[in-house]
Amino acid sequence: EDQVTQSPEALRLQEGESSSLNCSYTVSGLRGLFWYRQDPGKGPEFLFTLYSAGEEKEKERLKATLTKKESFLHITAPKPEDSATYLCAVQGSSNTGKLIFGQGTTLQVKP
Amino acid sequence: DGGITQSPKYLFRKEGQNVTLSCEQNLNHDAMYWYRQDPGQGLRLIYYSQIVNDFQKGDIAEGYSVSREKKESFPLTVTSAQKNPTAFYLCASTLGRQGWDGYTFGSGTRLTVV
Repeated sequence: EDQVTQSPEALRLQEGESSSLNCSYTVSGLRGLFWYRQDPGKGPEFLFTLYSAGEEKEKERLKATLTKKESFLHITAPKPEDSATYLCAVQGSSNTGKLIFGQGTTLQVKP
Repeated sequence: DGGITQSPKYLFRKEGQNVTLSCEQNLNHDAMYWYRQDPGQGLRLIYYSQIVNDFQKGDIAEGYSVSREKKESFPLTVTSAQKNPTAFYLCASTLGRQGWDGYTFGSGTRLTVV
């Protein structure tokens, strides 16, 4: 069964304190791994898609990496505006159009 | 600007009542999806549609119904058979029918049973 587990569930950082969020996955034939950012009461906003192990993508203070079993979202020198819930999702070759989501990591960055 | 519009933002349902959540997109996307989000849980797929006049059940379709009469519209009806409908509902779309290009999400509808 395809599955995604994110850790930690919640993370509190001081402004400027770098850290990483983890996304462990089990999927039959990975088609893509997706990272989204979700602010309270809003829909998720697309961040990155990773397709194969070894791939990395960056956007401002965020960097996503992918291995055969997990993905990391590295946050470098975070700012309070980075506070949000970060969602990880995978799509397998057998799941046409369907994304399997993790439960998310809620990040709070204090000034 | 192109995007997905969900309405209403907040919806209150009485016991035994059916309610319909609207989802409209002007992105010319082929596929559309409905997900449900509960606190502490991942998003769960309710229904999806890859082409007009066709749709498939997701993991938690019981108590819900959908239609896809137009490419840009995919309304979700929460029926009285759904025993625990209080949740945040998200509509999404993808350019291709296979959905491999990632989702664009709407802003969500929060449904509360009163």
